This record gives sequence, structure tokens and C-alpha cells, in this order.
Amino acid sequence: GESVGLHLPTLSVQEGDNSIINCAYSNSASDYFIWYKQESGKGPQFIIDIRSNMDKRQGQRVTVLLNKTVKHLSRQIAATQPGDSAVYFCAEIGSGNTGKLIFGQGTTLQVKP
Amino acid sequence: EAQVTQNPRYLITVTGKKLTVTCSQNMNHEYMSWYRQDPGLGLRQIYYSMNVEVTDKGDVPEGYKVSRKEKRNFPLILESPSPNQTSLYFCASSPGGLAAQQIRKRNIQYFGAGTRLSVL
Repeated sequence: GESVGLHLPTLSVQEGDNSIINCAYSNSASDYFIWYKQESGKGPQFIIDIRSNMDKRQGQRVTVLLNKTVKHLSRQIAATQPGDSAVYFCAEIGSGNTGKLIFGQGTTLQVKP
Repeated sequence: EAQVTQNPRYLITVTGKKLTVTCSQNMNHEYMSWYRQDPGLGLRQIYYSMNVEVTDKGDVPEGYKVSRKEKRNFPLILESPSPNQTSLYFCASSPGGLAAQQIRKRNIQYFGAGTRLSVL
């Protein structure tokens, strides 16, 4: 079946350090991935996406890497800030034409001042 | 402001008492969806709708109903709630619709703030 998993439930980093959150997926046919950020008491918020024809996608402080060979993606944040503290989910498009997002269980990022 | 609005944000009810959680979006999105979020299980899709009067089951539809009579609203109905439906619920919407070429738009889903439901 389809599943998306994150390697670590919790990641603690010092403010200013870079943080990397990893995600493994099982469906080799998946061609689209999204990272969401969920702050306490709020709904998931879109951060960045990447298609399977790309290996890397960069945002302002965010870089997403996709390794299709090992079905792994990672989201890196440079100079992590306290406002980055949240739960991060990777999600992939499910098979079929339903628009369903298959979410991993999430990694909680704690940024220590 | 573009947003997805859910009501209520918090709800405590008793087993068997019908309830409705409303969801409204002001972005003219065609696609809407309901998810539930549970510890250790992540977000799972309950129902989705690709357009008005077009709805279909997600992964965990049992015990839920939805309707899509107009584009902006997508209520979630629990006819006879049970304790195992205690959860955090999210409504989401996306611009994409039925056309296959819109699949990328459809997948960038925008979420409401959530409804925390407790069924006693």
C-alpha cells in the first residue's frame, strides 16, 4: 500500500543552526510531493512542493531534495528560527485521480534559543 | 482574506447526537476535502468533493456524510457520533477540479484551523 514516513518524530536544534527533516515514501509512481508546516492550534500550511522531474527545489530559507532512487526526500531550513518550531509533514499525491494527499506522521521541530 | 473557515472550533457531544461541522472557503475552489488527524496515524482523508454535487469517499468514510450543494460550503455530518470519532478534523480546499491537467493545483490544498471534537 501507499505510505509516507518521516524518520524521526522529534528534532531539536539550536537557533541559527540548519535543520534537516527526512521523509521516505513507498509509491515509486508518485510524481508530486508537498511539505506542510503545522503550528500548534492551526491547520497545516503549505511550504513548498517538488515534482519528480526535479532533484532539488529552493525557497527563501528552505531547500527540498528528492532522491527517487531510494524514494527519499528531505527538507532543509537554513538558520533555523524560533518561528520555525512546528510539526512538519511531507505528503505525496495518492494514486488515482482523487487529489488525495497521503501524509506522513510528522516531525516536531523544536528550536532552542 | 483568502481562507477556509470551519465551525465550531471545539465541540463536546454525546454518543448518538447528530452534529454538523461546517466548512466554507472564499477562494472559489472546486476541490474540497475533509481529513481527521489522530496521534500516531497522521492525517487521513474522510471524504472529498471535486465540484458541486460531486462527492466521494476517502480512506475513512465510515460514520460520516458530506454534501456539496454549493461551491463554497462542504459540511461534514456525523449522524450518530461514537467515541472513536473523537479527533481533530480539518477541512481543505484546492483550486483544481475534474480536469486531469489541473492535478497539480488540486494537490496544493489549503487547510482550515481545525475542529476538535470529543464524543463522550
